[in-house]
Amino acid sequence: EAQVTQNPRYLITVTGKKLTVTCSQNMNHEYMSWYRQDPGLGLRQIYYSMNVEVTDKGDVPEGYKVSRKEKRNFPLILESPSPNQTSLYFCASSLEAMAGTGNSPLHFGNGTRLTVT
Amino acid sequence: AQKITQTQPGMFVQEKEAVTLDCTYDTSDPSYGLFWYKQPSSGEMIFLIYQGSYDQQNATEGRYSLNFQKARKSANLVISASQLGDSAMYFCAMREGEDTGRRALTFGSGTRLQVQP
Repeated sequence: EAQVTQNPRYLITVTGKKLTVTCSQNMNHEYMSWYRQDPGLGLRQIYYSMNVEVTDKGDVPEGYKVSRKEKRNFPLILESPSPNQTSLYFCASSLEAMAGTGNSPLHFGNGTRLTVT
Repeated sequence: AQKITQTQPGMFVQEKEAVTLDCTYDTSDPSYGLFWYKQPSSGEMIFLIYQGSYDQQNATEGRYSLNFQKARKSANLVISASQLGDSAMYFCAMREGEDTGRRALTFGSGTRLQVQP
C-alpha cells in the first residue's frame, strides 16, 4: 500500500531533550516536506527536500533540522525542543520536484502530536 | 498579506444538503494550482480535489466540485448531498509556479464542517 509513515504518533518530552520524528514513504517520491499545524494558522512548511541530499528551509525552520540521505526517508530533528514547538507535525511527499501545473497532490502521513513541557 | 483566506471558521449543514466552503487566494503568478484537503478528527490529511489555473472547466470528483472563479480569485469547494462522515476540517491550499523555487503548498486556516442528522 502506498503511504507516508510517521513515527511516533504521539510524543511528550521535556524542554531541551533532543528528539527525532521519522518519516518514510514507499512511493519513490522525489519531493518530501515537513509541516506543522497550529490552531488558527493552518499548516506551515518547516523544511522541504527536492531530492536526496537536497534540502531547504520553509516558512518556519527555526529550531528544526532535517536530512535526506536516502530517497524514502526524511527525518525531522529537534536538537533542543522548546514549548513553542508543541504542535501537530505532518510529513508529506509528492512525485513532482518542481512547482507548476500538474495534478500531483501531497500525500500526507498521519501526523505526530508533539508536546514539549 | 494572506495568500489563502478561508473566512468561515465553522459551518453547519443538514445531512443530504449541499454546502459551499469558501476560499479566496492571492497570487501574481499566472501558473498555480489549487487544492482542497479534508482532515477528519483522526488527524490525517486527505486530498480531495485539484484545480489548475489554466484548466478551462471546474474540477469535479464524485460529490466534490470546485467552483473556480479566476477573476475573483476564488476556489470554493462544493460538497453535494452531505453525509455524516463529511464532518471534518477542510483546508484550501495553493501551489504557485516554478519561480517560487520552493514547491510548497500554502494553506488556509481551515473551515470546520459539521453535518447534522
